[in-house]
Order: sequence, then C-alpha cells, then structure tokens
Amino acid sequence: DAKTTQPNSMESNEEEPVHLPCNHSTISGTDYIHWYRQLPSQGPEYVIHGLTSNVNNRMASLAIAEDRKSSTLILHRATLRDAAVYYCILRDEVWDQFYFGTGTSLTVIP
Amino acid sequence: DAGVTQSPTHLIKTRGQQVTLRCSPKSGHDTVSWYQQALGQGPQFIFQYYEEEERQRGNFPDRFSGHQFPNYSSELNVNALLLGDSALYLCASSLDDAETQYFGPGTRLLVL
Repeated sequence: DAKTTQPNSMESNEEEPVHLPCNHSTISGTDYIHWYRQLPSQGPEYVIHGLTSNVNNRMASLAIAEDRKSSTLILHRATLRDAAVYYCILRDEVWDQFYFGTGTSLTVIP
Repeated sequence: DAGVTQSPTHLIKTRGQQVTLRCSPKSGHDTVSWYQQALGQGPQFIFQYYEEEERQRGNFPDRFSGHQFPNYSSELNVNALLLGDSALYLCASSLDDAETQYFGPGTRLLVL
C-alpha cells in the first residue's frame, strides 16, 4: 500500500489560508491523490482529488508538485467548521481500497 | 437523498458475543466498503462488497464477515468479540467506477 506522511497537527487563525502538506515519495504514475476530512463524531467526507494538475473545487484547492512526490491541500479561508482531521490518501484503481494514515488534526483559532 | 445510513448508532456487547451492523448506501450506489476506526487512528479497511460478492479484503481475521443484499445494503458481522474490537465501524458507498466514497456516521461498538 502506498504511504503518505503528514504532520500530526496544525493550527490556523480563523479567516486565514491554511496549507496542509503531504509527502508521498513512493507514488506511482497511476496513483491519484485524495483528500478526505473527518469532523468530530462524523464519518470522513470527500474534499478533493487529483492526478497531476492542480485542482480547485468549492471546498479547497489541491496543489501537486511537479514530481508528484508531495502535495498541499489549501483551504483559502479557514472557518471554525474546518476544524477536523485531514487525511491524504493515494489510490490506484477506482475499486481499490483507501489506506488512511493518522492524518493532520487542524485546529482553527477564533 | 438520505446519504449513507448505519444502524445502530451505538452498541455495547460482552466478550465472546456476536454482533451485526447494518448499512444502507447512498441512493444509486452499488459498492459498499467497511472500515474499522480505533480511537485516535485513521480508518482501517475491512472489506468491500460489489454485486453481492466480497471483492477485496483487508488484514482482518475470519471473525469479520459480511453480506450484501440485492438492494445493495450491507451487513458486517463480527463473531467471538474481543475487547480490541471496540471501535467506530464505518460504512462507505460508491459507484463501482467512481473515484469518491461517501461515508456514513458510523456505529460505535464497545466490547466489555
């Protein structure tokens, strides 16, 4: 299973941008990079995913390094509702399982 | 659309007992995956069901078994419960060829 490395925890001030890093040096050419987040007492929810190019959606942006060995999830303006554990996951086939690590616990300070 | 639903929300069992957890996938989804999440850890994949067959399995013993019904709903069964089986059990549904999984709120199991 492909491995990712994330900081255990990060803090951000409310309404400031947040950059959540993820290292995946053993990524293969067909691995997609997925981000999920888990709010307290809830199941994980999809945030964003990409293969090579940077991706944007209503929740966040995903910046992928040119060599694909790292990526960064960008929350443009953190709110208190963004406080969660953020998981960076690599997955090959669409039917393949997700391998969750321990993720990054994001604290948003009012 | 109710999304992914799971029942029960909480459950308390004693060692050696058996438990059945239930999951109804998001409308239109045909694939169901089950995960175990211990306190402070990320979810760990148990198995995945597609077309009523177990398609993939993680590193879990045979005490963990499942079933998928023709309406795509699914059950997770755990026999001979151990204290270490205490965890949040998550169900996720998806379309077979889709990138995204949708998770339910989970069932919290406590084994005493």
